[in-house]
Amino acid sequence: KNEVEQSPQNLTAQEGEFITINCSYSVGISALHWLQQHPGGGIVSLFMLSSGKKKHGRLIATINIQEKHSSLHITASHPRDSAVYICAVRTGTASKLTFGTGTRLQVTL
Amino acid sequence: EPEVTQTPSHQVTQMGQEVILRCVPISNHLYFYWYRQILGQKVEFLVSFYNNEISEKSEIFDDQFSVERPDGSNFTLKIRSTKLEDSAMYFCASSRAGGYTFGSGTRLTVV
Repeated sequence: KNEVEQSPQNLTAQEGEFITINCSYSVGISALHWLQQHPGGGIVSLFMLSSGKKKHGRLIATINIQEKHSSLHITASHPRDSAVYICAVRTGTASKLTFGTGTRLQVTL
Repeated sequence: EPEVTQTPSHQVTQMGQEVILRCVPISNHLYFYWYRQILGQKVEFLVSFYNNEISEKSEIFDDQFSVERPDGSNFTLKIRSTKLEDSAMYFCASSRAGGYTFGSGTRLTVV
């Protein structure tokens, strides 16, 4: 069974700050997803990673397979980035995702 | 951009009643899923569906739950006799080549 841990659980930042959210998992994976969940509840896929680094706008996701660790960075944070950020992993040939508990981010002016 | 559509967005039902949650996945996706999120908790896997049959299910997905793809486009989750603890947000998702798209969810409230 794969355990997915995220830190911090809650994060408050001022607009413009650089933000890092961490995710660790316990067993080997085939892919890791970073997801965003807004207060209304809907889930949006941000990244899918199996190695290295991906960038989309102000968001950067990295993964270290050997250390079983991934980070999501937000540069120049903005209040509209306020959401819950969730790490989820796929293991082996299974297609289902195992979710972390999420990191609640609030960005203030 | 293609979307996964879920209906209804909110459903209130009495304990013991049957409910059907509906989803229209992205048309060229191959895998379909139901997940649920109890308020304040993490998202949990219920069931995956591939090639017109269940490919994997969790311990949560007991005999009270069933899934169907009745007409090649809709994907439904039925809960036969709802319990208070079935109250949750239910998400449908579809995937292709590993990339996931989630629906906006159905909030089910059992009273």
